[in-house]
Amino acid sequence: DVKVTQSSRYLVKRTGEKVFLECVQDMDHENMFWYRQDPGLGLRLIYFSYDVKMKEKGDIPEGYSVSREKKERFSLILESASTNQTSMYLCASSHDSGYGYTFGSGTRLTVV
Amino acid sequence: GIQVEQSPPDLILQEGANSTLRCNFSDSVNNLQWFHQNPWGQLINLFYIPSGTKQNGRLSATTVATERYSLLYISSSQTTDSGVYFCAVGSEYGNKLVFGAGTILRVKS
Repeated sequence: DVKVTQSSRYLVKRTGEKVFLECVQDMDHENMFWYRQDPGLGLRLIYFSYDVKMKEKGDIPEGYSVSREKKERFSLILESASTNQTSMYLCASSHDSGYGYTFGSGTRLTVV
Repeated sequence: GIQVEQSPPDLILQEGANSTLRCNFSDSVNNLQWFHQNPWGQLINLFYIPSGTKQNGRLSATTVATERYSLLYISSSQTTDSGVYFCAVGSEYGNKLVFGAGTILRVKS
């Protein structure tokens, strides 16, 4: 089975901390994505990557950055965490065609 | 950008009933997928269906791309079908998806 693994299920961080969310996929997918999910707002794309070292802004990139040094790993970085970044963060990967879109189990981040 | 509308927003079914969920989208797409989010938050890919009809057990989906809508059929519903069903579409390189707001399904025993 395709697996997308997110490093933490629950995370609590303080305002101003630098936060790293890690995502690893094992199916050699070209594309990787970071979404956040909030009640009433649905899933919104933060950043995506279609190749190693390539990144593209999604719909809500402000306050975030990403890193993709290896094909299987895509990291989301909150440079200085703020309370409005409290959310469920979901990583996904897919083939170049878009087929096989697979999500990780999510990281519920709370910023206090 | 593409707009995705799902209906109904909420649905309550008795176990064994059938249902149809609808997804309308505002522009032509090259990618359409249906997902189920279970009560623990895990999103499961149900169908990759930019056009045509597919079936998987009690679930089936149809996309009429020329009319910009897709339907997800659930037959003989079970309590484990409860959760949120999302339609998501994509039209750009990299296949980033735009998600609808979802349909919350509750199946009662």
